[in-house]
Amino acid sequence: DSGVTQTPKHLITATGQRVTLRCSPRSGDLSVYWYQQSLDQGLQFLIQYYNGEERAKGNILERFSAQQFPDLHSELNLSSLELGDSALYFCASSLGQGPYNEQFFGPGTRLTVL
Amino acid sequence: KNQVEQSPQSLIILEGKNCTLQCNYTVSPFSNLRWYKQDTGRGPVSLTIMTFSENTKSNGRYTATLDADTKQSSLHITASQLSDSASYICVVYYGGATNKLIFGTGTLLAVQP
Repeated sequence: DSGVTQTPKHLITATGQRVTLRCSPRSGDLSVYWYQQSLDQGLQFLIQYYNGEERAKGNILERFSAQQFPDLHSELNLSSLELGDSALYFCASSLGQGPYNEQFFGPGTRLTVL
Repeated sequence: KNQVEQSPQSLIILEGKNCTLQCNYTVSPFSNLRWYKQDTGRGPVSLTIMTFSENTKSNGRYTATLDADTKQSSLHITASQLSDSASYICVVYYGGATNKLIFGTGTLLAVQP
């Protein structure tokens, strides 16, 4: 158990809908990262937050947005869902914000868009 | 173009045997390289983190090497166990403090009794 929690574990929804994925980092960690893992593209970095502020952006679509709250939990919002958004979404956390900090991954949320 | 390539794509070995997984990258400027183990349906777990100046780093039966000149890394697994069956992913960080990273597509390892 990494100490990172994600809810829900599974999510099934329809195209065009909007969903929110939630992540609670390990106690004491200030950075939160979001990743998408699909069968055809592997793991892709989406976005990083550090202590409430956006720190780095990867291949995140404009339909997706994220935020980190004062209690350091984070939410990833996915809107106007398409079939291709079906994937595993992982959250990770680390103590610091730099590239040398070890990241601890949560168990993931499996999103299925029908 | 910044890329991370892993080989082989998949590998089957017998329990107790050793194996070596490869990771070649073309990124600049290089920051660090990580190997992760990912069990099916679970989040990746970090095995090693290597910076430019490190050639070898071990974590139990896992030993990673890095050749910054040839931009190659390898992950050697010694005396494999059934629990080593997983996907092994190489991740390369680059761009200094900007936290850019590229994931390799992984090597799927199956250890058979």
